This record gives sequence, structure tokens and C-alpha cells, in this order.
Amino acid sequence: GAVVSQHPSRVICKSGTSVKIECRSLDFQATTMFWYRQFPKKSLMLMATSNEGSKATYEQGVEKDKFLINHASLTLSTLTVTSAHPEDSSFYICSANEGSYTEAFFGQGTRLTVV
Amino acid sequence: GQQLNQSPQSMFIQEGEDVSMNCTSSSIFNTWLWYKQEPGEGPVLLIALYKAGELTSNGRLTAQFGITRKDSFLNISASIPSDVGIYFCAGRAFFGNEKLTFGTGTRLTIIP
Repeated sequence: GAVVSQHPSRVICKSGTSVKIECRSLDFQATTMFWYRQFPKKSLMLMATSNEGSKATYEQGVEKDKFLINHASLTLSTLTVTSAHPEDSSFYICSANEGSYTEAFFGQGTRLTVV
Repeated sequence: GQQLNQSPQSMFIQEGEDVSMNCTSSSIFNTWLWYKQEPGEGPVLLIALYKAGELTSNGRLTAQFGITRKDSFLNISASIPSDVGIYFCAGRAFFGNEKLTFGTGTRLTIIP
């Protein structure tokens, strides 16, 4: 299957700082990528849809100014958690579709801990 | 956000036993996907289903897209220790929207 790479896999940051997470499609181009958040022992909750060359579409309840998404190329989307607080600590996962309406491939996830 | 109803929530089975789990929705889905997630990792795709009634196998795994388009099941035959993990179903509601809705997950534990 297609490969999606996410970096970093783990990050610890201080409250008030910003953290950037990268999601790359390694062997295909993805006009659309997705960002999810997962709490312990819970399912994946979609945060936003990242669209190459245009603004991201955020799900209801997700703060746009808190979670900045940039999709500057067909192989890279970034999620920046701004002014992070301990409640932002979570597992963040990205996905990309190799083609339209096909299966989604996921990155390895990023464990964010805000102290 | 919306979630699919997945059952059972957890399973404790003996090695060698077969496993069955399912997902149901109140609305129609055009695509069903089954994923497995291990601790600290992203979900890995197991099986993709695109047509109502479709039955697809991947080794010891078999999944079906329900005729009503509102459900799907995943079976694992002759379970082995490496089958341990959390299994998620995911559905795509309609064409024109690439978003996936995830099930609540089934945690599989295998007793030696």
C-alpha cells in the first residue's frame, strides 16, 4: 500500500509554545490529507481536512487558530499546535488517500505531551 | 462527531479461535474500510470494500459490505498472538466527500 510518513513520532513541549507536525505522502501525491486526534482508548476523531493550495476545512468544535494547517505541496501537510496547553496533549494522526474515494493510508502518529 | 457503532467493544479469546466483529450505521455508506491499530502506531489498512454485498478476504481475514449499505463485518479465522490490537471500521458516507467516519473500535486480546 501507499506510504504516509509522519514526523515527529513523539514531542514534549512547554506550555505556551508551538509545535509543528509534518505529514508526507512518500510515493504518491495527495491533494487531500486529513488530521485526526485520538484520546487514550478512544477512536479517531477528525479534526480537519487539509486541501492542497487552499484553506483547510475544520470540523465543528475545532479551533482554527489553535490548530493551524498548511498544505503547501501535493506531498506535505503540516499541523501546528499553537500556544500549546496540557489539554492539547494527545495522539495526532494524519492520513492521505492515494486516489479519489479510495482507501486512506495513515501516518505513524505523533504523541504530543505538553508540560 | 459522528461515529459508527462497533461491537463488541472488547474480546478475550483463546489462540486458534475465530473472531467476528461488526459495525452498524443509521445511514448509508458507500465505502467500508477495516483497520488495525497497535499501541503508539497509526491504523493499518486491512480490507477495503466498495460494493454492497462485496465479500473480500485478506489471508485469514474476511470482511463483507452489508447489502443494506448500513453495516459491515470482519472475521478473523484461527487467531494467532500477533492479531492482538484494536480493530476499527471506517465508512465513507457518500461520493463527493472523502471524509471517513470511524467506529468505536474492538480491542482484541488473545489468551495463550
